[in-house]
Amino acid sequence: DIQMTQSPSSLSASVGDRVTITCRASQAISNYLAWFQQRPGKAPKSLIYAASVLQSGVPSEFSGSGSGTDFTLTISSLQPEDFATYYCQQYYSYPFTFGGGTKVEIK
Amino acid sequence: QVQLVQSGAEVKKPGASVNVSCKASGYTFSSYYMYWVRQAPGQGLEWMGIINPSGGSTTYAQKFLGRVTMTRDTSTSMVYMELSSLRSEDTAVYFCARVRGSSSWYETVDYWGQGTLITVSS
Repeated sequence: DIQMTQSPSSLSASVGDRVTITCRASQAISNYLAWFQQRPGKAPKSLIYAASVLQSGVPSEFSGSGSGTDFTLTISSLQPEDFATYYCQQYYSYPFTFGGGTKVEIK
Repeated sequence: QVQLVQSGAEVKKPGASVNVSCKASGYTFSSYYMYWVRQAPGQGLEWMGIINPSGGSTTYAQKFLGRVTMTRDTSTSMVYMELSSLRSEDTAVYFCARVRGSSSWYETVDYWGQGTLITVSS
């Protein structure tokens, strides 16, 4: 199975901050990488697919980059509604796997 | 608009089976594959498998082989996930999620159901 490792596991930030989350795959996955946002008690929300393509309706403060084994999710200016847990997912090979999550908290 | 509405929470005893349903609306049901993903309390997301609603073919995570069965009913636009031989470690919220892009086995998802809490307890 492909292991997905996210870092950091948690971070504290303020509204307006730029935030970067990293996801590393245990083997190359091309750009078969997605990012999700999950608020407490809610279903995940799809943010990005193909490593860098925003899902319809996702605000432009979110961006993704990377290919191969190393990927990043960047929030250019943190908004109050962005405080949540973020997960990456590889869909290159079965079983599809998720990172352990990064919790973004208010400083 | 695309909607995935799941069945309600259930409490099951160890060794029992559970069947979670997911009703799709707002799009052509047979054209989009569906995942099932689960999340144990306080834990991350775990992919369980994928089903092609058109032909009913499936791929399951090795971890669940022999215990999980995913099916669909095209007449009602519903997919089902049955998990058998339940144990306490199966206590989790179970989500269905629509695979983006038509008829693709290697894709991520765009829409999620609201989740169904399954509690396994004696």
